[in-house]
Amino acid sequence: EIMLTQSPVTLSLSAGERATLSCRASQSVSRFLAWYQQKLGQAPRLLIYDVSKRAAGIPARFSGSGSGTDFTLTISSLEPEDFAVYYCQQRSNWPLTFGGGTKVEIK
Amino acid sequence: DVQLVESGGGLVQPGGSLRLSCMGSEFTFYSYDMNWVRQAPGKGLEWVSYISGSSSLIKYADSVQGRFTVSRDNGKNSLYLQMKSLRVEDTAVYYCARQAFDYWGQGTLVTVSS
Repeated sequence: EIMLTQSPVTLSLSAGERATLSCRASQSVSRFLAWYQQKLGQAPRLLIYDVSKRAAGIPARFSGSGSGTDFTLTISSLEPEDFAVYYCQQRSNWPLTFGGGTKVEIK
Repeated sequence: DVQLVESGGGLVQPGGSLRLSCMGSEFTFYSYDMNWVRQAPGKGLEWVSYISGSSSLIKYADSVQGRFTVSRDNGKNSLYLQMKSLRVEDTAVYYCARQAFDYWGQGTLVTVSS
Protein backbone atom coordinates (compact mmCIF):
# COMPACT_ATOMS: atom_id res chain seq x y z
CA GLU A 1 0.00 0.00 0.00
CA ILE A 2 1.30 3.44 -0.93
CA MET A 3 1.37 5.80 2.05
CA LEU A 4 0.88 9.51 1.49
CA THR A 5 2.26 11.94 4.08
CA GLN A 6 0.96 15.49 4.00
CA SER A 7 2.69 18.43 5.64
CA PRO A 8 2.18 20.57 7.50
CA VAL A 9 -0.80 19.22 9.40
CA THR A 10 -2.02 22.77 9.97
CA LEU A 11 -1.13 25.93 8.05
CA SER A 12 -2.07 29.26 9.63
CA LEU A 13 -2.19 32.07 7.08
CA SER A 14 -4.01 35.29 6.30
CA ALA A 15 -6.16 36.04 3.28
CA GLY A 16 -3.99 37.17 0.40
CA GLU A 17 -1.02 35.05 1.44
CA ARG A 18 0.46 32.18 -0.54
CA ALA A 19 -0.19 28.63 0.68
CA THR A 20 2.17 25.75 -0.09
CA LEU A 21 1.01 22.25 0.82
CA SER A 22 3.17 19.15 0.51
CA CYS A 23 2.34 15.50 -0.19
CA ARG A 24 5.02 12.81 -0.13
CA ALA A 25 4.43 9.25 -1.36
CA SER A 26 6.16 6.15 0.01
CA GLN A 27 6.89 5.07 -3.56
CA SER A 28 6.49 6.59 -6.98
CA VAL A 29 2.93 7.31 -8.11
CA SER A 30 4.07 8.62 -11.48
CA ARG A 31 1.63 11.42 -12.36
CA PHE A 32 -1.44 9.83 -10.76
CA LEU A 33 -1.81 12.32 -7.96
CA ALA A 34 -4.91 14.38 -7.16
CA TRP A 35 -5.85 17.09 -4.65
CA TYR A 36 -9.19 17.73 -2.95
CA GLN A 37 -10.66 20.48 -0.83
CA GLN A 38 -13.15 19.71 1.91
CA LYS A 39 -15.12 22.15 3.99
CA LEU A 40 -16.89 21.23 7.23
CA GLY A 41 -20.02 19.20 6.60
CA GLN A 42 -19.45 18.97 2.86
CA ALA A 43 -18.25 16.32 0.45
CA PRO A 44 -14.72 16.67 -0.91
CA ARG A 45 -14.27 18.68 -4.10
CA LEU A 46 -11.75 17.71 -6.75
CA LEU A 47 -9.24 20.51 -7.36
CA ILE A 48 -6.33 18.99 -9.26
CA TYR A 49 -5.77 15.65 -11.02
CA ASP A 50 -2.77 14.13 -12.80
CA VAL A 51 -0.48 16.35 -10.65
CA SER A 52 -1.23 19.65 -12.35
CA LYS A 53 -4.52 19.60 -14.26
CA ARG A 54 -7.21 21.79 -12.77
CA ALA A 55 -10.66 20.26 -12.53
CA ALA A 56 -13.59 22.02 -14.16
CA GLY A 57 -14.45 25.34 -12.56
CA ILE A 58 -11.38 25.49 -10.32
CA PRO A 59 -9.81 28.97 -10.14
CA ALA A 60 -6.35 29.55 -11.56
CA ARG A 61 -4.97 30.44 -8.11
CA PHE A 62 -4.85 26.69 -7.42
CA SER A 63 -1.90 24.89 -9.01
CA GLY A 64 -0.22 21.54 -8.59
CA SER A 65 3.31 20.40 -9.28
CA GLY A 66 5.74 17.56 -8.65
CA SER A 67 6.49 14.08 -9.88
CA GLY A 68 7.37 10.64 -8.60
CA THR A 69 7.10 10.92 -4.83
CA ASP A 70 7.01 14.64 -4.01
CA PHE A 71 4.06 16.87 -4.84
CA THR A 72 2.91 20.37 -4.02
CA LEU A 73 -0.42 22.18 -4.06
CA THR A 74 -0.04 25.95 -4.22
CA ILE A 75 -2.74 28.52 -3.62
CA SER A 76 -1.25 31.73 -4.94
CA SER A 77 -3.34 34.17 -2.92
CA LEU A 78 -5.76 32.86 -0.33
CA GLU A 79 -9.37 33.88 -0.62
CA PRO A 80 -11.71 33.65 2.41
CA GLU A 81 -13.42 30.61 0.90
CA ASP A 82 -10.12 28.71 0.63
CA PHE A 83 -9.82 28.05 4.35
CA ALA A 84 -10.54 24.33 4.50
CA VAL A 85 -8.89 20.90 4.70
CA TYR A 86 -6.93 19.64 1.71
CA TYR A 87 -6.21 16.00 0.87
CA CYS A 88 -3.94 14.41 -1.69
CA GLN A 89 -4.77 11.05 -3.27
CA GLN A 90 -2.81 8.59 -5.37
CA ARG A 91 -4.48 6.70 -8.19
CA SER A 92 -1.40 4.78 -9.30
CA ASN A 93 -1.83 1.55 -7.36
CA TRP A 94 -4.56 -0.41 -5.62
CA PRO A 95 -5.64 0.29 -2.97
CA LEU A 96 -6.19 3.92 -3.72
CA THR A 97 -5.00 5.99 -0.78
CA PHE A 98 -5.42 9.47 0.64
CA GLY A 99 -3.05 11.57 2.67
CA GLY A 100 -3.99 12.57 6.22
CA GLY A 101 -4.89 16.11 5.22
CA THR A 102 -3.65 19.66 5.75
CA LYS A 103 -5.92 22.18 7.44
CA VAL A 104 -5.51 25.71 6.15
CA GLU A 105 -6.79 27.99 8.88
CA ILE A 106 -7.12 31.73 9.32
CA LYS A 107 -4.21 33.25 11.20
CA ASP B 1 -26.19 18.84 -13.49
CA VAL B 2 -24.62 15.52 -12.47
CA GLN B 3 -26.07 14.28 -9.20
CA LEU B 4 -25.21 11.42 -6.87
CA VAL B 5 -27.54 10.71 -3.97
CA GLU B 6 -26.72 8.17 -1.28
CA SER B 7 -29.22 6.50 1.02
CA GLY B 8 -29.46 3.60 3.43
CA GLY B 9 -27.33 4.78 6.30
CA GLY B 10 -28.39 4.43 9.92
CA LEU B 11 -27.67 2.89 13.31
CA VAL B 12 -26.74 -0.79 13.39
CA GLN B 13 -25.34 -3.06 16.08
CA PRO B 14 -21.86 -4.60 15.81
CA GLY B 15 -22.06 -7.72 13.68
CA GLY B 16 -25.06 -6.40 11.81
CA SER B 17 -25.64 -5.62 8.15
CA LEU B 18 -26.63 -2.60 6.09
CA ARG B 19 -27.03 -1.87 2.40
CA LEU B 20 -26.16 1.53 1.03
CA SER B 21 -27.44 2.84 -2.29
CA CYS B 22 -26.25 5.62 -4.57
CA MET B 23 -28.38 6.85 -7.42
CA GLY B 24 -26.83 8.81 -10.25
CA SER B 25 -28.56 11.19 -12.62
CA GLU B 26 -27.78 13.52 -15.53
CA PHE B 27 -24.96 11.36 -16.88
CA THR B 28 -24.64 8.02 -18.70
CA PHE B 29 -24.26 5.94 -15.54
CA TYR B 30 -23.17 2.69 -17.24
CA SER B 31 -20.21 4.48 -18.88
CA TYR B 32 -18.59 5.39 -15.60
CA ASP B 33 -16.71 3.40 -13.01
CA MET B 34 -17.77 4.21 -9.47
CA ASN B 35 -16.20 4.35 -6.02
CA TRP B 36 -17.16 4.31 -2.35
CA VAL B 37 -15.15 6.47 0.06
CA ARG B 38 -15.75 6.83 3.79
CA GLN B 39 -14.82 9.30 6.48
CA ALA B 40 -14.93 8.45 10.17
CA PRO B 41 -16.04 11.28 12.47
CA GLY B 42 -13.30 13.90 12.68
CA LYS B 43 -10.94 11.81 10.55
CA GLY B 44 -9.61 11.77 7.01
CA LEU B 45 -10.81 10.12 3.82
CA GLU B 46 -10.53 6.37 3.24
CA TRP B 47 -11.19 4.75 -0.13
CA VAL B 48 -13.41 1.68 0.32
CA SER B 49 -14.31 0.11 -3.00
CA TYR B 50 -14.30 0.46 -6.79
CA ILE B 51 -16.47 -1.10 -9.50
CA SER B 52 -16.04 -0.70 -13.25
CA GLY B 53 -18.92 0.34 -15.47
CA SER B 54 -19.57 -3.24 -16.59
CA SER B 55 -18.90 -4.68 -13.10
CA SER B 56 -16.04 -6.69 -14.61
CA LEU B 57 -13.44 -5.23 -12.25
CA ILE B 58 -14.01 -4.81 -8.52
CA LYS B 59 -11.56 -3.71 -5.84
CA TYR B 60 -11.75 -3.35 -2.06
CA ALA B 61 -9.70 -1.84 0.70
CA ASP B 62 -8.12 -4.48 2.93
CA SER B 63 -10.13 -3.17 5.88
CA VAL B 64 -13.44 -4.23 4.27
CA GLN B 65 -12.38 -7.14 2.04
CA GLY B 66 -14.59 -10.17 2.70
CA ARG B 67 -17.21 -8.15 4.59
CA PHE B 68 -18.39 -5.58 2.03
CA THR B 69 -19.73 -6.24 -1.47
CA VAL B 70 -20.06 -3.58 -4.13
CA SER B 71 -22.50 -3.96 -7.00
CA ARG B 72 -24.42 -1.86 -9.49
CA ASP B 73 -27.61 -1.95 -11.54
CA ASN B 74 -27.05 0.16 -14.65
CA GLY B 75 -30.70 -0.14 -15.61
CA LYS B 76 -31.56 1.69 -12.40
CA ASN B 77 -28.54 4.05 -12.47
CA SER B 78 -27.69 2.72 -9.04
CA LEU B 79 -24.61 1.69 -7.10
CA TYR B 80 -24.78 -0.42 -3.95
CA LEU B 81 -22.59 -1.33 -1.00
CA GLN B 82 -23.68 -4.36 0.99
CA MET B 83 -21.99 -4.26 4.39
CA LYS B 84 -21.90 -7.29 6.69
CA SER B 85 -20.20 -8.13 9.98
CA LEU B 86 -20.09 -4.44 10.76
CA ARG B 87 -17.64 -3.19 13.35
CA VAL B 88 -17.54 -0.09 15.51
CA GLU B 89 -14.65 1.14 13.37
CA ASP B 90 -16.88 1.10 10.27
CA THR B 91 -18.73 4.10 11.69
CA ALA B 92 -18.38 6.84 9.09
CA VAL B 93 -20.02 8.98 6.47
CA TYR B 94 -20.03 6.95 3.27
CA TYR B 95 -19.74 8.79 -0.04
CA CYS B 96 -20.16 7.50 -3.55
CA ALA B 97 -17.94 9.18 -6.13
CA ARG B 98 -17.83 9.02 -9.90
CA GLN B 99 -14.89 7.46 -11.73
CA ALA B 100 -12.45 10.38 -11.61
CA PHE B 101 -13.78 11.54 -8.22
CA ASP B 102 -15.06 14.62 -10.02
CA TYR B 103 -18.54 14.25 -8.57
CA TRP B 104 -19.46 13.09 -5.06
CA GLY B 105 -22.71 12.47 -3.28
CA GLN B 106 -23.62 14.26 -0.07
CA GLY B 107 -22.84 11.19 2.00
CA THR B 108 -24.84 8.89 4.27
CA LEU B 109 -23.92 8.27 7.91
CA VAL B 110 -23.44 4.73 9.16
CA THR B 111 -23.18 4.32 12.92
CA VAL B 112 -22.17 0.96 14.36
CA SER B 113 -22.87 0.88 18.06
CA SER B 114 -24.54 -1.25 20.69
